[in-house]
Amino acid sequence: DSGVTQTPKHLITATGQRVTLRCSPRSGDLSVYWYQQSLDQGLQFLIHYYNGEERAKGNILERFSAQQFPDLHSELNLSSLELGDSALYFCASSARQGWSYTFGSGTRLTVV
Amino acid sequence: EDKVVQSPLSLVVHEGDTVTLNCSYEVTNFRSLLWYKQEKKAPTFLFMLTSSGIEKKSGRLSSILDKKELFSILNITATQTGDSAVYLCAVEWVDSNYQLIWGAGTKLIIKP
Repeated sequence: DSGVTQTPKHLITATGQRVTLRCSPRSGDLSVYWYQQSLDQGLQFLIHYYNGEERAKGNILERFSAQQFPDLHSELNLSSLELGDSALYFCASSARQGWSYTFGSGTRLTVV
Repeated sequence: EDKVVQSPLSLVVHEGDTVTLNCSYEVTNFRSLLWYKQEKKAPTFLFMLTSSGIEKKSGRLSSILDKKELFSILNITATQTGDSAVYLCAVEWVDSNYQLIWGAGTKLIIKP
């Protein structure tokens, strides 16, 4: 157990739907990062939050949004889902902004 | 465009062999290069390299960075079946707010 908790582990939903993925960082970690990993694209950085503030945005679609709450957990909201959004979504956390992320075990999203 | 390229994409060797995995990068204002191991789910951190020529070592794994030629290698000696995984390389740059650009990974299979 890495200490980073992601729920749910698996999610199957239909096209056009909206889902929320949740991440609880390791105790004491202020930074949360979201990544998408699909078979043909590898790991793609989506967004980074530090202590509740958005710090960096990568290749995140407008249909996707995220936030980090005062208790430091984070949620990634995916809406108007398309088949191509099927992927493994990872959350990672770090104590300070920076390297040596600790990844959660991911949420596998399947859009049918 | 910034990019990280890993080679080979996959590699099959026998237990006991030594392997060398490559990671080259083209990133403006490079800050650090990181290696991760991904088995079934979450990537786990192996090394972070910031200076050329200084070898980082952990057991049978070692890694070195060449900032002049813009590449890093990851060596695994006396491979074991438990080393079978995807090895990921990622690069961080100055002012990135700690996001990373990831390579596609090298899938390593160790045959008994």
